[in-house]
Amino acid sequence: KAGVTQTPRYLIKTRGQQVTLSCSPISGHRSVSWYQQTPGQGLQFLFEYFSETQRNKGNFPGRFSGRQFSNSRSEMNVSTLELGDSALYLCASSLGTSGGGYTQYFGPGTRLTVL
Amino acid sequence: EDKVVQSPLSLVVHEGDTVTLNCSYEVTNFRSLLWYKQEKKAPTFLFMLTSSGIEKKSGRLSSILDKKELFSILNITATQTGDSAVYLCAPGGDNNDMRFGAGTRLTVKP
Repeated sequence: KAGVTQTPRYLIKTRGQQVTLSCSPISGHRSVSWYQQTPGQGLQFLFEYFSETQRNKGNFPGRFSGRQFSNSRSEMNVSTLELGDSALYLCASSLGTSGGGYTQYFGPGTRLTVL
Repeated sequence: EDKVVQSPLSLVVHEGDTVTLNCSYEVTNFRSLLWYKQEKKAPTFLFMLTSSGIEKKSGRLSSILDKKELFSILNITATQTGDSAVYLCAPGGDNNDMRFGAGTRLTVKP
């Protein structure tokens, strides 16, 4: 079974631009969660989607948004990029919502660098 | 407010040593706790714990949860250089997200 895939793997943008990251979950998984990882803040939860609905959102500004499609693929968008948005963005999929005790499986991440 | 504290933050041992990593948590409506190993990129899943006192084992790794005292430990016996990584614990509750600790950076020297 193929694992979680994320595209692109690496991205370089400049301040003020916007970016869209994509995540394809493991086949059959309906929940997709997004995380931001930085050396200073560690791993932080962004949001989770289940059956095309956002189930929960972390403490990030409105510049960070996402959506999920009917095939469970998810996209994350960051508008008006700031230097501090440089991070590894991880996507994780699971059969059910993460709070229900379902194991999350992570993708390889997208490394975003904002110049 | 939900809280996850891992200790120690950093640990350096030699091959063959046994290590114990700690994770204490305060999570609303706790449901499960997951342990992950992160080397260079994305975390890889190790264990999911939902019941107190039941040890989960996988080779040289084992983990146990204490829901009364709100902590979990991850043990690694006969450590190898390949065990060098950041170990993350992530308790989850009914609010549908996982809270990650800052991690313990384990370095195993030959």
